[in-house]
Amino acid sequence: GESVGLHLPTLSVQEGDNSIINCAYSNSASDYFIWYKQESGKGPQFIIDIRSNMDKRQGQRVTVLLNKTVKHLSLQIAATQPGDSAVYFCAENWEGDGNKLVFGAGTILRVKS
Amino acid sequence: DAGVIQSPRHEVTEMGQEVTLRCKPISGHNSLFWYRQTMMRGLELLIYFNNNVPIDDSGMPEDRFSAKMPNASFSTLKIQPSEPRDSAVYFCASSFLAGYEQYFGPGTRLTVT
Repeated sequence: GESVGLHLPTLSVQEGDNSIINCAYSNSASDYFIWYKQESGKGPQFIIDIRSNMDKRQGQRVTVLLNKTVKHLSLQIAATQPGDSAVYFCAENWEGDGNKLVFGAGTILRVKS
Repeated sequence: DAGVIQSPRHEVTEMGQEVTLRCKPISGHNSLFWYRQTMMRGLELLIYFNNNVPIDDSGMPEDRFSAKMPNASFSTLKIQPSEPRDSAVYFCASSFLAGYEQYFGPGTRLTVT
């Protein structure tokens, strides 16, 4: 029978290429954003975060860009590796809402060798 | 640090039975979160605690669900009676301060038959 559930967008990239995963967040008052990586059978794993007073932050092989004007967040992964294959979630937080994180639906990243 | 610890990792139970999920947050973290993840609805926040006090339980589906945090190092999520639609992966997460990154446990995969 037909499976019912969230239809996550999928990004397929060749090993060694750069990946860009996008996220549109919902609350213009959100002031803190996180990217998580979730591998099959595991819990979400923190990758990188950014606060609203910044528009770019770099980590090891990853860069997060924040465009508050259009409420857009992106995660760039340099030299994508097979181990990067996972579901990637963006999450937003608004200080006025305590420390709740609101998660996006996620994007599947598939790395082809 | 061992990270967030959850038990059991897998639970299979019959409809109508009581289920108790357990979580030990990272030592020193002040906030604890319970999430549920399903294919249909993605990652949903059920309830969270600050300094052992429940702050927001608006995500708890119904009265069959309850959560407690008797001390800073332990929390439980109880479902009584359980129903097949409760089948999901339940994650516990903790964070040091409000508005900081949350660290997730490995999850408990619950199957209610």
